[in-house]
Amino acid sequence: DAGITQSPRYKITETGRQVTLMCHQTWSHSYMFWYRQDLGHGLRLIYYSAAADITDKGEVPDGYVVSRSKTENFPLTLESATRSQTSVYFCASSDQGFWTETQYFGPGTRLLVL
Amino acid sequence: QKEVEQNSGPLSVPEGAIASLNCTYSDRGSQSFFWYRQYSGKSPELIMSIYSNGDKEDGRFTAQLNKASQYVSLLIRDSQPSDSATYLCAVKGRGNEKLTFGTGTRLTIIP
Repeated sequence: DAGITQSPRYKITETGRQVTLMCHQTWSHSYMFWYRQDLGHGLRLIYYSAAADITDKGEVPDGYVVSRSKTENFPLTLESATRSQTSVYFCASSDQGFWTETQYFGPGTRLLVL
Repeated sequence: QKEVEQNSGPLSVPEGAIASLNCTYSDRGSQSFFWYRQYSGKSPELIMSIYSNGDKEDGRFTAQLNKASQYVSLLIRDSQPSDSATYLCAVKGRGNEKLTFGTGTRLTIIP
């Protein structure tokens, strides 16, 4: 199906383990984003990418790594998971105009770090 | 001061009434403003965007923007139980590739 997908949808891991969250979009949107959503903080930007091989930090990048070798994929890696990284992670994509901005969100990945 | 502020609620509104959601932002250079709706356990979805001062209507939804006062609001007329959700205000600055989101207002429509 066309759209934006995330996998896995649910993940339980242990402190110190490496975890990779996958994001795939079929629209060929140039921009892709990773957010985390926590109670009291709303959506916070972790990393974003303007195109393949171009990534930049957002508001809360520490402890996360991203790559974008292909336009359609934007994986997020937690190099050594910590309990504070327990959260809901949303991937989004957009085909930005100068003024307009519609970000389309994936279904989210719920991550629990024990 | 947070860049985008919203009253977290919960805001309870009787069915059929008007729900009014407010958002203020700190960056006076902000150019684009968005309202996203998020149902519990789901991802955000865009319901309104507004770029110029004044009102913009789309069905039962009206977005209002006042750049001088740095606020944007969302009115929902004839509120329905299906409107019960968290509403996220998002702001994009001039030449900025990123959206900044408020923490959201939880709206409950009471049948």
